[in-house]
Amino acid sequence: EPEVTQTPSHQVTQMGQEVILRCVPISNHLYFYWYRQILGQKVEFLVSFYNNEISEKSEIFDDQFSVERPDGSNFTLKIRSTKLEDSAMYFCATATIRLGQVNHEQYFGPGTRLTVT
Amino acid sequence: DAKTTQPTSMDCAEGRAANLPCNHSTISGNEYVYWYRQIHSQGPQYIIHGLKNNETNEMASLIITEDRKSSTLILPHATLRDTAVYYCIVRSPWRSSASKIIFGSGTRLSIRP
Repeated sequence: EPEVTQTPSHQVTQMGQEVILRCVPISNHLYFYWYRQILGQKVEFLVSFYNNEISEKSEIFDDQFSVERPDGSNFTLKIRSTKLEDSAMYFCATATIRLGQVNHEQYFGPGTRLTVT
Repeated sequence: DAKTTQPTSMDCAEGRAANLPCNHSTISGNEYVYWYRQIHSQGPQYIIHGLKNNETNEMASLIITEDRKSSTLILPHATLRDTAVYYCIVRSPWRSSASKIIFGSGTRLSIRP
């Protein structure tokens, strides 16, 4: 079964540094998402992306965050200047679209654990 | 998206059916009921969804009441690998509206040997 993959599995960075988290979506999927989960807390939506633009973003997704699909395959989340509170698991998810409807099932990757020190 | 209410935790003996309830009394006509689960430290995993009819797949069954205000996820023969947090989610899948998933706290299901 096709899978969403994410790299790296664990990233440790110092506060103020930039990080880029990478996701390889399932090949025919066109809708992409980033979610995060702070340890012990709920999974939170960050942003959705379709047709090379952001469809929706949450309040968490401020100017420090950006997403892009630079080469038509990878989908990246960049945090420009990391803060301690950015430490979390970051999950990429993808979905197909059929007849104008985002497919019911979102496929999640295994996540990247980001630790900001 | 409509709000859902689930028990914080449940347990079930291995080999027995696990029945996880969910209340969604404010569900609207075009919203589906979805179930996802998250095994410790892994990404959430889709289980099943339904609109108004009962649904079954290789993982589980979904029973939705006639008024659609509540539903039950059934894992027919629970195994230790089913230990996870189970999320009941109500949302509309239409692209014109938010397709994001809003996760609640879910039900922590523990399967005991």
